[in-house]
Amino acid sequence: AQSVTQLDSQVPVFEEAPVELRCNYSSSVSVYLFWYVQYPNQGLQLLLKYLSGSTLVESINGFEAEFNKSQTSFHLRKPSVHISDTAEYFCAVSVTGGGNKLTFGTGTQLKVEL
Amino acid sequence: GAVVSQHPSRVICKSGTSVKIECRSLDFQATTMFWYRQFPKQSLMLMATSNEGSKATYEQGVEKDKFLINHASLTLSTLTVTSAHPEDSSFYICSAYSGLAGNEQFFGPGTRLTVL
Repeated sequence: AQSVTQLDSQVPVFEEAPVELRCNYSSSVSVYLFWYVQYPNQGLQLLLKYLSGSTLVESINGFEAEFNKSQTSFHLRKPSVHISDTAEYFCAVSVTGGGNKLTFGTGTQLKVEL
Repeated sequence: GAVVSQHPSRVICKSGTSVKIECRSLDFQATTMFWYRQFPKQSLMLMATSNEGSKATYEQGVEKDKFLINHASLTLSTLTVTSAHPEDSSFYICSAYSGLAGNEQFFGPGTRLTVL
């Protein structure tokens, strides 16, 4: 069985500062990796995903994540955050041939302050 | 992106009653829908996988007779919490998968269930 660990439950950061949200996974088979964002009182939205190919993936709003197979990590980064990035971020994994089931981490609350 | 709706957004019921939650894919056909449960400060836990026209597949530890899932069409799945008890109070979230969007699941906004 696979698992996902998000070590940081909360990350406070000042606006325009860089941020990294950590995600590590455990799986005995190949995986697909996802980052979802949940704004207050809204559903989860896909931020970015790694399926294959380039290990560095980017979102349209400036986030990026890099798949590191040797370290079994998929950390999310943004060089300069905005107030509007305040949300809950979930890392998730699905295994190839696993029926598209997602296993989620416990989430990281990103709070951007002025 | 594709839109998934859930109804109701929140419901309060008495212990022993049953509650039905609807999940709809509004602009695409969902071959598969997933139901999750999220406790405060915890992760989303997959409860079951629902395929149109067939019986749902439940995760280990989830009572199929308590959480009835019906996927009658390619745009609608329902979750019925039968004989609800206070410990069933939680945030229930559905997602829909069309098979066409690169393994992406589209999530509904969730339903907050409170059982008194």
